[in-house]
Amino acid sequence: KQEVTQIPAALSVPEGENLVLNCSFTDSAIYNLQWFRQDPGKGLTSLLLIQSSQREQTSGRLNASLDKSSGRSTLYIAASQPGDSATYLCAVGVKAAGNKLTFGGGTRVLVKP
Amino acid sequence: GAGVSQSPSNKVTEKGKDVELRCDPISGHTALYWYRQSLGQGLEFLIYFQGNSAPDKSGLPSDRFSAERTGGSVSTLTIQRTQQEDSAVYLCASSLVPSQGWTEAFFGQGTRLTVV
Repeated sequence: KQEVTQIPAALSVPEGENLVLNCSFTDSAIYNLQWFRQDPGKGLTSLLLIQSSQREQTSGRLNASLDKSSGRSTLYIAASQPGDSATYLCAVGVKAAGNKLTFGGGTRVLVKP
Repeated sequence: GAGVSQSPSNKVTEKGKDVELRCDPISGHTALYWYRQSLGQGLEFLIYFQGNSAPDKSGLPSDRFSAERTGGSVSTLTIQRTQQEDSAVYLCASSLVPSQGWTEAFFGQGTRLTVV
């Protein structure tokens, strides 16, 4: 059974610092990995999708890497801003299961002005 | 529509009553998923639709839960005889499935269900 872990569970940084969020998964036979952002009381906003054949994806200040063999992904957010404060979730999909997603518990990020 | 739409956004119901939650996916997305987010359990998968068929219902917690999808579009999640442990946020997601496989999942804003 796939298990996804995100460490740390919470993170507080001053504005301008780079953020590093970690995600690990137990079964390397994934189809893709997706990073989401969730604001309090809201749904999930997709940030980046990495296919299993890819090593990284970039969008603006966000960069996500994937090391499938070691079961790890890292989300980097450069030059953090207070508006980056949210919970970040990673999720892995399995092709045989219609790409249903297994989620980590999330990392709650606070960027202090 | 432009995004995944869920209704109602909030629902308070009495224990024992039935509730229906609606999801309107992004137009053209053939894959549709229901997830549940609760404080103690995180985000958990409930059911997956491809078109109108549900090849994976493994996450439905009991036979009080059912879902259907019609016209390859709108889906309804029904919870019968609601219990307090059903209180959670129910999230719907949809995904495009081109020939090369599934693309990213887009989520709705969720329905917050409170059973009193």
